[in-house]
Amino acid sequence: GAVVSQHPSRVICKSGTSVKIECRSLDFQATTMFWYRQFPKQSLMLMATSNEGSKATYEQGVEKDKFLINHASLTLSTLTVTSAHPEDSSFYICSARSGPRNTEAFFGQGTRLTVV
Amino acid sequence: GENVEQHPSTLSVQEGDSAVIKCTYSDSASNYFPWYKQELGKRPQLIIDIRSNVGEKKDQRIAVTLNKTAKHFSLHITETQPEDSAVYFCAALPYGQNFVFGPGTRLSVLP
Repeated sequence: GAVVSQHPSRVICKSGTSVKIECRSLDFQATTMFWYRQFPKQSLMLMATSNEGSKATYEQGVEKDKFLINHASLTLSTLTVTSAHPEDSSFYICSARSGPRNTEAFFGQGTRLTVV
Repeated sequence: GENVEQHPSTLSVQEGDSAVIKCTYSDSASNYFPWYKQELGKRPQLIIDIRSNVGEKKDQRIAVTLNKTAKHFSLHITETQPEDSAVYFCAALPYGQNFVFGPGTRLSVLP
């Protein structure tokens, strides 16, 4: 299947700093990528949909100024958590579809963010 | 919008027994239903999926059934093994929209 690579897998940062997470589709072009947040023992909650060359579409309740998403190319989307606080600590996962709508979604490895 | 419910939230079975996880969805426009397996700290992995024009699909020990009329679909794992222990998520995809995931089921296969 298609491969989605996400980096870093783990990051620890100080409160108030910013953290950038990269999501790359390695063997296919992804016009749309998705960013999820997952708290312990909970499901995947969609944060935003990242569209190549345009602004991301954020889900209700997600602060677009705090979670900056850039999708500069067909194979790369980035999520920047700005001015991170301990409550931002979570597991962040990206995904992308390899084909037209209604096809399998491939997930990145996820990033464990810990804000201290 | 689409709403996906999943039951049970936790499930313990003896090794070799079968496990069944059920999901219901609300949007009749949903026509793609994948199941993902997520081990602790790892990415969700697709294990099986079904489209709305099919009622059942099987892949070795794993099967999925879909009842469009009742808007529910189920994951069946036979001859469970300890390595089947994980969290399983169902999802529904309304055409032209984004995936909506169920809350997950934590499956424990006891040796």
